[in-house]
Amino acid sequence: KQEVTQIPAALSVPEGENLVLNCSFTDSAIYNLQWFRQDPGKGLTSLLLIQSSQREQTSGRLNASLDKSSGRSTLYIAASQPGDSATYLCAVPKVVSDYKLSFGAGTTVTVRA
Amino acid sequence: NAGVTQTPKFQVLKTGQSMTLQCAQDMNHEYMSWYRQDPGMGLRLIHYSVGAGITDQGEVPNGYNVSRSTTEDFPLRLLSAAPSQTSVYFCASSYRDGPNEKLFFGSGTQLSVL
Repeated sequence: KQEVTQIPAALSVPEGENLVLNCSFTDSAIYNLQWFRQDPGKGLTSLLLIQSSQREQTSGRLNASLDKSSGRSTLYIAASQPGDSATYLCAVPKVVSDYKLSFGAGTTVTVRA
Repeated sequence: NAGVTQTPKFQVLKTGQSMTLQCAQDMNHEYMSWYRQDPGMGLRLIHYSVGAGITDQGEVPNGYNVSRSTTEDFPLRLLSAAPSQTSVYFCASSYRDGPNEKLFFGSGTQLSVL
């Protein structure tokens, strides 16, 4: 059974510092990994999707890396801003032949001005 | 473009009551799903649909029913509410691009069962 873990559950950083968010998964046979952002009282918004054949995916200040063999992904957010304060969740398919996703519990980020 | 619309945003029920959470999407997506989010846990799939008239169970289906009579709508019914169903519920619609599924979420319904 695919299990997804995100540590730490929460972190607080001063504005301008780079953010490093971790995601680990138990079954490395995945097609892709997705990172989502959730603002308080809102639904999830997709940030990045990394294919299993890729090692990195970038969008603006966001960079996600994927190491399938070790079951890890890292989301880097450069030069953090107060607007980056949110909960970030990662998700992978439960089994390689299925689209259903297993989600991590998320890391709640606070960027202090 | 409204995307995925969920109603109501908040609901309080008494144990044993029934209710329907509404979900509508205007993106003509084939796939729709319901998740629940509990503190300290990731989203868990309740039910999903791969098209009008086709539904299937997810990870935690007990106590919930769904139907999909149109592409746009995917209501979630709580048959007899229990305190264990206190949670935040999210509806999502999606499309598939090869092995990838692109999900679009509604803003959620916060449900309390007393």
